[in-house]
Amino acid sequence: TQLLEQSPQFLSIQEGENLTVYCNSSSVFSSLQWYRQEPGEGPVLLVTVVTGGEVKKLKRLTFQFGDARKDSSLHITAAQTGDTGLYLCAGADTGGFKTIFGAGTRLFVKA
Amino acid sequence: DAGVIQSPRHEVTEMGQEVTLRCKPISGHNSLFWYRQTMMRGLELLIYFNNNVPIDDSGMPEDRFSAKMPNASFSTLKIQPSEPRDSAVYFCASSLGTGRKTEAFFGQGTRLTVV
Repeated sequence: TQLLEQSPQFLSIQEGENLTVYCNSSSVFSSLQWYRQEPGEGPVLLVTVVTGGEVKKLKRLTFQFGDARKDSSLHITAAQTGDTGLYLCAGADTGGFKTIFGAGTRLFVKA
Repeated sequence: DAGVIQSPRHEVTEMGQEVTLRCKPISGHNSLFWYRQTMMRGLELLIYFNNNVPIDDSGMPEDRFSAKMPNASFSTLKIQPSEPRDSAVYFCASSLGTGRKTEAFFGQGTRLTVV
């Protein structure tokens, strides 16, 4: 069974601070996604990484896929209150049909 | 495209009643997923379809749960009979199941409360 573990589970920081959240597994994934979910809404895709070692930047967000395609990190620079939400990582199995989600990191950015 | 459409948005029902949740995936997507989200267990995959065929239903909690996809534009998740522990937000998602670029697009969810 493929499992994705996210850490930390909860993070409360001040606006302007930097943070990193992690997504780890003992399994290899063909690709890995990061989603952000706001209250009352479904998760929304932020990025997909597919190549081991890949780094993608989306404004203040930097995503990295581990060389072995088993882990990933999301780094946010100068967090803003609008970054508040639940961040979920999700891995696609090698068949490409099934997406497994981690439990999420709940981020709260205080003004 | 309107995205994945789920109905109803909210459902309150009494224990023992049948509940049917509905989903219209994004046109052209060939994979459809049903997830359940709770604070305790996070986002759990219940079942997924590829080209309208159920591929993996190992996440369905028990026989009270069933899902169908009669055509490429419609799917249902049924709970019969419902129990209070089924209370959760149920999400439907669709994707183009093309291997490494599998990206799921979610509906807004149905919040189910069983009293």
